[in-house]
Amino acid sequence: EDQVTQSPEALRLQEGESSSLNCSYTVSGLRGLFWYRQDPGKGPEFLFTLYSAGEEKEKERLKATLTKKESFLHITAPKPEDSATYLCAVQGDNAGNMLTFGGGTRLMVKP
Amino acid sequence: DAGVTQSPTHLIKTRGQQVTLRCSPKSGHDTVSWYQQALGQGPQFIFQYYEEEERQRGNFPDRFSGHQFPNYSSELNVNALLLGDSALYLCASSLWGDEQFFGPGTRLTVL
Repeated sequence: EDQVTQSPEALRLQEGESSSLNCSYTVSGLRGLFWYRQDPGKGPEFLFTLYSAGEEKEKERLKATLTKKESFLHITAPKPEDSATYLCAVQGDNAGNMLTFGGGTRLMVKP
Repeated sequence: DAGVTQSPTHLIKTRGQQVTLRCSPKSGHDTVSWYQQALGQGPQFIFQYYEEEERQRGNFPDRFSGHQFPNYSSELNVNALLLGDSALYLCASSLWGDEQFFGPGTRLTVL
């Protein structure tokens, strides 16, 4: 059974204070690892897909990296508008097309 | 280009009732997946429809059923509602096997 654990559960940063969110996963074989951003009461917004260890993707102040056991979402010089819950999900070889999500990291960026 | 749409936005039902939620996928997508998200948790996979058939199912009871229409839109039906069914119900669309894009969700409250 695929499993995803995200840490920390919540993170408070000052504007401009860079940090990283962690996503640890267990899958029989990784087809893809996905990062989403979710604002309160809304649906998750797709950010990145990573397929193999060593892969990196960037979008504005966000950079996602992948190893064989975990992924990191690095946030550089965050702004208050980056405040949201960040969700990590995996798609495993034996799981068809379903996504298995972690519990998310709630990020709060103070001005 | 319209993204994934869901209706209704909010719904209040009482225990024992039945509910139907609707989803229209993003233009060009042929696969619809449904997820349940309890407050403060990550989404959990309910099932996925492709070519009007249920292709994969998560760990949800038979009270949860669905349908996909020829135009790729989909419905989620929940019978004999329980208090524990209160959640945000998310629809995600994709091309078969590709990244899933989520709609805004339907907030279901069971009293």
